[in-house]
Order: sequence, then C-alpha cells, then structure tokens
Amino acid sequence: DAGVTQSPTHLIKTRGQQVTLRCSPKSGHDTVSWYQQALGQGPQFIFQYYEEEERQRGNFPDRFSGHQFPNYSSELNVNALLLGDSALYLCASTWRLAYEQYFGPGTRLTVT
Amino acid sequence: GIQVEQSPPDLILQEGANSTLRCNFSDSVNNLQWFHQNPWGQLINLFYIPSGTKQNGRLSATTVATERYSLLYISSSQTTDSGVYFCAVEDRGSTLGRLYFGRGTQLTVWP
Repeated sequence: DAGVTQSPTHLIKTRGQQVTLRCSPKSGHDTVSWYQQALGQGPQFIFQYYEEEERQRGNFPDRFSGHQFPNYSSELNVNALLLGDSALYLCASTWRLAYEQYFGPGTRLTVT
Repeated sequence: GIQVEQSPPDLILQEGANSTLRCNFSDSVNNLQWFHQNPWGQLINLFYIPSGTKQNGRLSATTVATERYSLLYISSSQTTDSGVYFCAVEDRGSTLGRLYFGRGTQLTVWP
C-alpha cells in the first residue's frame, strides 16, 4: 500500500524565482491538502484540493497556487519567492475531504 | 479558526520513564489526530481519536470532547520516542478537512 509521496525532497531557489512541488496521495485517497511548516512551528494549512478544485484556502497570498490532476496527484506552485517562504512543505491526503489524514515526507525549500 | 494549545512545550526524560502530553482546543471538533514528527520532518500518525480512548503498544490516548482536551500517554519511554509530538484538530464548522496544529511538544529521551 503506497503512502503519500512528495518530490523533490530538497530544493534551493533564489528570491524572485518560481517553484513547483509535487505530491501523490496515498492509494485510495482523493483529497490532497498542502501545509507549510516554518522552523519551530506547527504546520499551517495552505489549501485543499478535491475533485480537481480548490475547496478551502488558508491565510496565504495568491503567490501560492495549486492544481489537482485526474489521478488525484497535486502540485503546489509558489511565484516570486521570498526569503520567508523557506520552510518544510507537507502534503496530506485523505478520502472524501475528511477522516484520518496521512502526510508525506515533505519538501524542504530554502530561498536564498 | 480553532485554537490548539499543547503542553508542556519541552519534556526531557530518562529512558524507562512515563509521560503525559496534553492538548487543549477551543471549540468542538470533528477530528483529532496525534502525530510524531521524526528528525527528518515526516509526520507519523499515532492516533485518530475525536473521542474516547485508544491504545497502541506503549502509547495510549484519551480525548474528552465535551471538555475540549486530549492526552497522549507514553509509557516506558525509549530513545526512539524522541522528537516533536503534534496534536491537530478539525473543527465542526465549514473548514471540513482542514487541520489546525498546536506548536508541539519537543520530547527528548536520554539513555
């Protein structure tokens, strides 16, 4: 039973650049959420995708956008990177929006 | 959004000791999960426990939904238990599936 996978594991970008992170949900799951975790903090909700639509959004600017594909995998895009975007980005999946959520190993983004 | 408070923020134990971690939340919840974050950042599911009591080996958890708190018990702690423990809740409002996390409890277990 494949768990949640994310790629890449690490990424270094320069201020002003754009980045795309990828996530494949756990087998049997159809809902994907993205979280940002700054150092020493708990994860913060960015947005959630279900049936290829953004269903909910946290308090993040429009520079953060996403997409869900027909196979339920998802991408997180961040434009015009800022130093403050440096964080661990976590993807979580579940079934039908709710119930127990499972997290991937994360992508550690460093913006210099 | 719902507020989640975890205590204590830091806990240092010797191997073999028992511990209790607490999670208080400010509103009614649909879902409560406990996670262990390993040194590489992976969040490992420990319990999905919106109410009641569950046990899994040396770990157990209790959620008293009416009083808005949950407890995670770790018995006979081992060095591999070290890491950050997070409580996360999903409120009963319109934010279905959105988890709100506490700031975590950093557990260090010494041999």
